[in-house]
Amino acid sequence: KAGVTQTPRYLIKTRGQQVTLSCSPISGHRSVSWYQQTPGQGLQFLFEYFSETQRNKGNFPGRFSGRQFSNSRSEMNVSTLELGDSALYLCASSRDREGSPLHFGNGTRLTVT
Amino acid sequence: KQEVTQIPAALSVPEGENLVLNCSFTDSAIYNLQWFRQDPGKGLTSLLLIQSSQREQTSGRLNASLDKSSGRSTLYIAASQPGDSATYLCAVLNAGGTSYGKLTFGQGTILTVHP
Repeated sequence: KAGVTQTPRYLIKTRGQQVTLSCSPISGHRSVSWYQQTPGQGLQFLFEYFSETQRNKGNFPGRFSGRQFSNSRSEMNVSTLELGDSALYLCASSRDREGSPLHFGNGTRLTVT
Repeated sequence: KQEVTQIPAALSVPEGENLVLNCSFTDSAIYNLQWFRQDPGKGLTSLLLIQSSQREQTSGRLNASLDKSSGRSTLYIAASQPGDSATYLCAVLNAGGTSYGKLTFGQGTILTVHP
C-alpha cells in the first residue's frame, strides 16, 4: 500500500513569488492535514481538509491556503513568499476516526531566497 | 492553549542501553497521544498511538505509557541500537472537536545511540 506522497521534494523560490505543493493521501484516507516544520517553531498545524472542505485552520496568515479535490488529493498554496516561509512542509492523512494515527509524507523542502 | 514539552532535548547513549523519553502536556482533555520518529530530512513515522482511555501501548522494543490526569507520557526504548538514532516527537490530539488531524507537537528529543 502506497504511503502519503508529496511533490515536489524540493523547491527554491524567490521572495514575492507563489508556490503550490501537492499531497496524495493513502488510498481510502479522506482527511488531509498540512504542517510547517522549522528549526525555531517546530511543527505547526496549517490546516485540515475533509471531503473537500476545510475543517480546521491554524494561526497562519491568509497567504497560506489550500484545497482538497474529490479524490482526496490536496494542494496548498503560499502567495507572496517571504524568507520566513522557508521550511519543510509536511502533509498527513488519516482515516478520520478517533484512534486512527496520522501518516505523514516525506515533505516538501521549500527554500525562499 | 495546549502546550507539549519534551525532555530531554537531546540524549546520547551507548548501544544496548534502555532509555526513557518524556513528554508532558498542559491540557488533559485529549483524545489520544502519538509518538513519532523523524529521520533527518524525512517525514514522520508513527510509532505508537495511545488512546486517552489506555495506559500503555507496546510495539517490539518500544513501550509508551500515558498518565492523562498528570499530563505525562513516556516512551521506553529497550536495548537501544544505532538504528534508533533519530528525533522522537510526541503529539496530542485535543478532545472536544470533530477534527482528527490537528495535533499539537512537542519540540522533540534528538536521540543518538553510539556503537
